[in-house]
Amino acid sequence: GAVVSQHPSRVICKSGTSVKIECRSLDFQATTMFWYRQFPKQSLMLMATSNEGSKATYEQGVEKDKFLINHASLTLSTLTVTSAHPEDSSFYICSAREGQQPQHFGDGTRLSIL
Amino acid sequence: DQQVKQNSPSLSVQEGRISILNCDYTNSMFDYFLWYKKYPAEGPTFLISISSIKDKNEDGRFTVFLNKSAKHLSLHIVPSQPGDSAVYFCAASAESGGSNYKLTFGKGTLLTVNP
Repeated sequence: GAVVSQHPSRVICKSGTSVKIECRSLDFQATTMFWYRQFPKQSLMLMATSNEGSKATYEQGVEKDKFLINHASLTLSTLTVTSAHPEDSSFYICSAREGQQPQHFGDGTRLSIL
Repeated sequence: DQQVKQNSPSLSVQEGRISILNCDYTNSMFDYFLWYKKYPAEGPTFLISISSIKDKNEDGRFTVFLNKSAKHLSLHIVPSQPGDSAVYFCAASAESGGSNYKLTFGKGTLLTVNP
């Protein structure tokens, strides 16, 4: 149980493109979803927290207009990287939590902007 | 400011022996701690957690110890198996502080269990 599916696993695109990443909880209702970013040899850095049906809460230093988060249902959250540039290249990973249960993670998305 | 620190980037142990992974934290508001295991090209998988009201939690081969006064926790794996080879992340949150259950992660420790 507690499976989180994240798609796509890898994206390579040109600078200026917007990229959408989906995160789905397959067998539980995700009351809260989280989006992280990880740089090489660094820890997972929380970007934003979203609760179903409400606006995401962004961490300090994360541009909300750059990283659009939608959590329209209890099983789906999306992260859209708008007008992506090479500095946005990174590993993005989502997690989901039902109530007070531990967070369960997707397998991540490797984003490469050329 | 690294609030959760895993000072050993890597650890190598022999199969059958004990693996001890360490984690230190600085934020005294943290009251819930988790260990995640991560294989290459996969997301972290939840292993075991501990609340600050306890000092030990055991699940099969995995035991987590918490020393609140030292702000230190450790994960013991015994006996270690080659399949345990992975990166282990320590994470912490302030559950009772209305933080919306945000996790703060360490940088991870790469465990290699040699046959």
